[in-house]
Amino acid sequence: AQRVTQPEKLLSVFKGAPVELKCNYSYSGSPELFWYVQYSRQRLQLLLRHISRESIKGFTADLNKGETSFHLKKPFAQEEDSAMYYCALSGSGSGGSNYKLTFGKGTLLTVNP
Amino acid sequence: GAGVSQSPSNKVTEKGKDVELRCDPISGHTALYWYRQRLGQGLEFLIYFQGNSAPDKSGLPSDRFSAERTGESVSTLTIQRTQQEDSAVYLCASSLIRGRLYGYTFGSGTRLTVV
Repeated sequence: AQRVTQPEKLLSVFKGAPVELKCNYSYSGSPELFWYVQYSRQRLQLLLRHISRESIKGFTADLNKGETSFHLKKPFAQEEDSAMYYCALSGSGSGGSNYKLTFGKGTLLTVNP
Repeated sequence: GAGVSQSPSNKVTEKGKDVELRCDPISGHTALYWYRQRLGQGLEFLIYFQGNSAPDKSGLPSDRFSAERTGESVSTLTIQRTQQEDSAVYLCASSLIRGRLYGYTFGSGTRLTVV
């Protein structure tokens, strides 16, 4: 079974401070992991995917298979980063439920001025 | 279309009535997904379409829920005899065949309120 845990429902930081949104997963194979973001009154959109090792809007996320984590980090938070962030997992391989994304419950990030 | 389009954006219905929610995916996206998001909860998988077949409908919560898709185009999610616990935002997403590697593109959702 696939499971994604985001332990923090709410996270509040000040502008310019580092931010880390935690994500832990449970999956028996090699997962593919994603972070999605939903800004106020906007639709859910893909922020980044671990497979591409990209940095988007200053955010990065490293897959740690030993700790089964995929934490999202940004060294200097901005007010416009305030949003709901969801971690998501997809199984890998040609079979099984590799088409399906399993989402965490989300973390609401507030960046204060 | 340019994005995933869902209609209506809001729906208020009386308990016991049937509702139909519509999703128009991005042109060329063969995979289509329905998710449900209840207040304060994460996204809950409902059903997956590849073309017009549904290889996985394991997330549909009861036989009051059904969905269909016409070709690689529009999908409708139907909820019969709505109950108050059906109140949620229903999200549709689409992706290319191998879209799981690139993530989904979501619609803006239909907010369903059952009174």
